[in-house]
Amino acid sequence: DAEITQSPRHKITETGRQVTLACHQTWNHNNMFWYRQDLGHGLRLIHYSYGVQDTNKGEVSDGYSVSRSNTEDLPLTLESAASSQTSVYFCASSEGSPHSNQPQHFGDGTRLSIL
Amino acid sequence: AQSVAQPEDQVNVAEGNPLTVKCTYSVSGNPYLFWYVQYPNRGLQFLLKYITGDNLVKGSYGFEAEFNKSQTSFHLKKPSALVSDSALYFCAVRDNHRGNTPLVFGKGTRLSVIA
Repeated sequence: DAEITQSPRHKITETGRQVTLACHQTWNHNNMFWYRQDLGHGLRLIHYSYGVQDTNKGEVSDGYSVSRSNTEDLPLTLESAASSQTSVYFCASSEGSPHSNQPQHFGDGTRLSIL
Repeated sequence: AQSVAQPEDQVNVAEGNPLTVKCTYSVSGNPYLFWYVQYPNRGLQFLLKYITGDNLVKGSYGFEAEFNKSQTSFHLKKPSALVSDSALYFCAVRDNHRGNTPLVFGKGTRLSVIA
């Protein structure tokens, strides 16, 4: 079955370090998204991509970057981790054009703690 | 700007009773509306969506939602709650007049069904 996989599931790191979270989907979806989930804030969009070589900033993009070199992967990089970036991170994908209203499929998340 | 509000952080209901989880939205054009559910330590799962057509939308696990344009609401309902329905529920909206902008999620409502 097609799926979306996030790795690692848990990570602890120190402030100032560079961290990369992986997201891999096997649906061949054009659209991919990164969110962070925090108590009291719900789900907030970090970055998104509508296809290879396309990336866009979301609501809370400062301190994060993404690149889309193929259809399957959208890694999220924290350039210099800060304690405020401690959160649960979710990757999602959806099929079709950006105008389509196909539902997003979510990974099971990465719990990131920055000490 | 597009936005969505879930006015209740927590909803408690007895098993077998009907449940309602509220959602209101604000868009400049016509809304595309979605409900997702999240179980502990898992990603979000799609329940149902409203794009156009009938105001009553049926989805997974016996859930349904009613689109009300005059009240700008899209409340999630189920006639008879199960303990297994206990989870975190998210409403999301996209404005069809805003081109390629992605979904905006509410902050979530925690549903507890008590046996």
